[in-house]
Amino acid sequence: GAGVSQSPSNKVTEKGKDVELRCDPISGHTALYWYRQSLGQGLEFLIYFQGNSAPDKSGLPSDRFSAERTGGSVSTLTIQRTQQEDSAVYLCASSLVDTQYFGPGTRLTVL
Amino acid sequence: GQSLEQPSEVTAVEGAIVQINCTYQTSGFYGLSWYQQHDGGAPTFLSYNALDGLEETGRFSSFLSRSDSYGYLLLQELQMKDSASYFCALAGYQKVTFGTGTKLQVIP
Repeated sequence: GAGVSQSPSNKVTEKGKDVELRCDPISGHTALYWYRQSLGQGLEFLIYFQGNSAPDKSGLPSDRFSAERTGGSVSTLTIQRTQQEDSAVYLCASSLVDTQYFGPGTRLTVL
Repeated sequence: GQSLEQPSEVTAVEGAIVQINCTYQTSGFYGLSWYQQHDGGAPTFLSYNALDGLEETGRFSSFLSRSDSYGYLLLQELQMKDSASYFCALAGYQKVTFGTGTKLQVIP
């Protein structure tokens, strides 16, 4: 079956612009995570959705970051007024129980 | 909250055995997972320990000791393709928390 997909795979934007990153999880997976990974660094947790519960937003670095998950499936991560320090790979993962399945990521470059 | 610690880098010789340790602090969790990530790629699941003891999956084994707040990933018969970053992750009651990762370099 299909795995987790993310789009776009690469995004180059200018400082101050807004960007939207999309994640399509594996069908039936109730949990969805967003992470950020800078070059050579570990995974930085951003936000977590579980079913119909309120999302855990404790990892969002600023109020410029927001995410939503529509219909318990597709999720969009929005970064407003992008800054150069937002440049990173943004990874989405979905899970049913404990094992997370990662998408290929979106590489964001803010010029 | 939860926190995990791993060595930042490990170097080992092709054909040898290497152990990557993970120590953690948590108020409770379901299990400890391990993920592999090659440069430029996404993390992929390797192993999961819900109970204390050793779990073996081919050349890879993972160990958990809840009483010691400690786990490790054991890689046997190292191959050059095993050069990658390895992350331990706690499956907590609310979410999964990843360690900082260990970069393994396998040398000839």
